Amino acid sequence: NAGVMQNPRHLVRRRGQEARLRCSPMKGHSHVYWYRQLPEEGLKFMVYLQKENIIDESGMPKERFSAEFPKEGPSILRIQQVVRGDSAAYFCASSRTGTDTQYFGPGTRLTVL
Amino acid sequence: KQEVTQIPAALSVPEGENLVLNCSFTDSAIYNLQWFRQDPGKGLTSLLLIQSSQREQTSGRLNASLDKSSGRSTLYIAASQPGDSATYLCAAELAGAGSYQLTFGKGTKLSVIP
Repeated sequence: NAGVMQNPRHLVRRRGQEARLRCSPMKGHSHVYWYRQLPEEGLKFMVYLQKENIIDESGMPKERFSAEFPKEGPSILRIQQVVRGDSAAYFCASSRTGTDTQYFGPGTRLTVL
Repeated sequence: KQEVTQIPAALSVPEGENLVLNCSFTDSAIYNLQWFRQDPGKGLTSLLLIQSSQREQTSGRLNASLDKSSGRSTLYIAASQPGDSATYLCAAELAGAGSYQLTFGKGTKLSVIP
């Protein structure tokens, strides 16, 4: 059973461009979480999704950030018009149910030039 | 708002020594508490998960304890090895509200010296 997969592993964008980060949960997992780890900071929750539904987006910045988890395909975290402060490691986690252990992917490291 | 604090921020020990990492949280209404390991440039590996009804969990040389009333958890590592060198994160999951987000501490960076 493959673990949580994230791609790309590294992403470089110039200011103003869009960044799309993908997360494929473990097989049988329908709950996905996105976290962000800023340099020298702890991981911060961003958003929690189930298939086709956003359950909790209390950690998402109000502008430029969006997330989806379609019926088919990976979950996508989209950052529009990136700024240097968006440079961070973005981790995705998945679980079988909301109360099960969250399994983390290797992360996508976003660098904004 | 849940806050999780880990002390110390960094720790260096000689190989073979037993050690304790500390984690404290402000809201005792947690569903569970989890300890993770993060290697440089890598993702997180779950080490131990303690449900709120449990007091401790053990896996090999690792033992994690949970005291909800005092808002504390500890991770005990026995007979440390150089391969244990990593950053250790604790994370609390708040109970209720339909969301299962984890609140992380900033971690303890452990170096085990051969």
